[in-house]
Amino acid sequence: QKEVEQNSGPLSVPEGAIASLNCTYSDRGSQSFFWYRQYSGKSPELIMSIYSNGDKEDGRFTAQLNKASQYVSLLIRDSQPSDSATYLCAVNSRSNDYKLSFGAGTTVTVRA
Amino acid sequence: EAQVTQNPRYLITVTGKKLTVTCSQNMNHEYMSWYRQDPGLGLRQIYYSMNVEVTDKGDVPEGYKVSRKEKRNFPLILESPSPNQTSLYFCASSPTGTGNSPLHFGNGTRLTVT
Repeated sequence: QKEVEQNSGPLSVPEGAIASLNCTYSDRGSQSFFWYRQYSGKSPELIMSIYSNGDKEDGRFTAQLNKASQYVSLLIRDSQPSDSATYLCAVNSRSNDYKLSFGAGTTVTVRA
Repeated sequence: EAQVTQNPRYLITVTGKKLTVTCSQNMNHEYMSWYRQDPGLGLRQIYYSMNVEVTDKGDVPEGYKVSRKEKRNFPLILESPSPNQTSLYFCASSPTGTGNSPLHFGNGTRLTVT
């Protein structure tokens, strides 16, 4: 079983719609969760971090964490063409603060 | 400008010819790490360093070496590259570990081994 799994996509949504990205992880004791965005040919950049169960909102982005279900999601509201990118879920190891595991990513395309 | 600088951006080499990819950060970060990115596999950690002279293996360390003689530099060394090391490589840094700090990534190095 992979440590971090994401829905493989690609995910295509119309402009203005909500894009929903999902991620599950295997290390039950993980405490830190991140979403990175990666445009084609570019390096990843952090867009959200979440540490507690529940929702965390930042502008059009909402991260949701459910540790009991080992599940973290990212919602992109009012999707814009500029949101077209690959979104990477990353989970910090419970036993090693220096190990960050990434999912394979979900590619999102926002149709104008 | 705060940044992580990798060189070169593109590298084509032949099997067995030793190479080094350099990484430097100007943010006085303690933690640095190397990842490789392959289609369908995402980012996989190769090696990381918690501070000067302190390094440890990540998930895919075979065929790679690193060193951390200075805080700002963390070079990745391929002693005898093979075609399965063809990949996109990213260096990253953060103030301390990965638990509460975001990673700052370099621009990447695309390596092709023929």
